[in-house]
Amino acid sequence: ETGVTQTPRHLVMGMTNKKSLKCEQHLGHNAMYWYKQSAKKPLELMFVYSLEERVENNSVPSRFSPECPNSSHLFLHLHTLQPEDSALYLCASSQEGSGGRQFFGPGTRLTVL
Amino acid sequence: QQQVKQSPQSLIVQKGGISIINCAYENTAFDYFPWYQQFPGKGPALLIAIRPDVSEKKEGRFTISFNKSAKQFSLHIMDSQPGDSATYFCAAKSGGSNYKLTFGKGTLLTVNP
Repeated sequence: ETGVTQTPRHLVMGMTNKKSLKCEQHLGHNAMYWYKQSAKKPLELMFVYSLEERVENNSVPSRFSPECPNSSHLFLHLHTLQPEDSALYLCASSQEGSGGRQFFGPGTRLTVL
Repeated sequence: QQQVKQSPQSLIVQKGGISIINCAYENTAFDYFPWYQQFPGKGPALLIAIRPDVSEKKEGRFTISFNKSAKQFSLHIMDSQPGDSATYFCAAKSGGSNYKLTFGKGTLLTVNP
């Protein structure tokens, strides 16, 4: 595998379910990101981890819980989501000092019923 | 408040034509301006980027023009091809952050054969 991979690619869940999104980067980067992509809206940065420490949390509701066990893996734990949380969730990675060059995964298409 | 305004929302160009997408920003602290290309079912991919100390950057058929005084930058796709049909996002990074990219809303480009 190369680049940034995300699993699952598609997820349908009820409002009471708990699920997790997984991201893995194979680029040797030391920063990882979660973004939310909704139709007709700019990409929204949710969380940033640098060297496995959270450095950015953009006022994201607590029903989204990130986890970064090491520099290659990033999770987004989901619980009691709302239908408006349905979106494409993108993971990205970068190397600190690269000046902003971020590499994105293919995303997980989440549908909350 | 949207910090990066992108236009047009959609664009249709004939094969061989020039596609032009524009972005405007307000934050003078931005120091890195990338363009991302996104195909359906894929994550955004970095296409080309520019820093404010140059007025133009060209890579193959893709050119960024940058006007620092007007706080505008644009993407030009020369000799547009059907394979260029995708959504294009401009973005900007503040010099005060290693991580945070502010994205435009995107432009859906369709190149007709």
